[in-house]
Amino acid sequence: GAVVSQHPSWVICKSGTSVKIECRSLDFQATTMFWYRQFPKQSLMLMATSNEGSKATYEQGVEKDKFLINHASLTLSTLTVTSAHPEDSSFYICSAREGRGYNEQFFGPGTRLTVL
Amino acid sequence: GQNIDQPTEMTATEGAIVQINCTYQTSGFNGLFWYQQHAGEAPTFLSYNVLDGLEEKGRFSSFLSRSKGYSYLLLKELQMKDSASYLCAGMDSNYQLIWGAGTKLIIKP
Repeated sequence: GAVVSQHPSWVICKSGTSVKIECRSLDFQATTMFWYRQFPKQSLMLMATSNEGSKATYEQGVEKDKFLINHASLTLSTLTVTSAHPEDSSFYICSAREGRGYNEQFFGPGTRLTVL
Repeated sequence: GQNIDQPTEMTATEGAIVQINCTYQTSGFNGLFWYQQHAGEAPTFLSYNVLDGLEEKGRFSSFLSRSKGYSYLLLKELQMKDSASYLCAGMDSNYQLIWGAGTKLIIKP
């Protein structure tokens, strides 16, 4: 299957700093990328959907100004957590899909963010 | 509203068979996915059903009944490595995945 990479795998930062997470589709063009967060023992929570070249569509309750998403190319999307706080500590996972209809979502390995 | 229901946790014995059920309500329907997620890792794709019936893939099979809004994942010849969470997700009319909370499967020797 297709490969999606995420970088970094884990990051520890101080409260108030910003953290950027990269998501890349390595062997296909990702028309759509999704960003999820997952708290321990809970299911995936979709944060936002981004289509290449368009502004991201955020789910209700997700702060656009806090979680900046950029999908500048068909192989790269970034999530920046601005002014991170301890409650932002979570497992962030991206997934990518080729095309706009049904197509399997391929998940990146995830990024574990810990904010001190 | 949209909703996916699946059991929180199940326990089974190595070598046995287990069936994980999922009921769904989505706005429109474009298929039902099953993913496996080991602790601390991202989900990996297991199966996709859009038509009624059983899809078999090795030790794993997935069933769908659209009229009942119901699916199940069947795991045969259970191995210890099958201990994981199994996520059911329905795809709505906008091709968005609606995720269940996941079923944690514990395999005992």
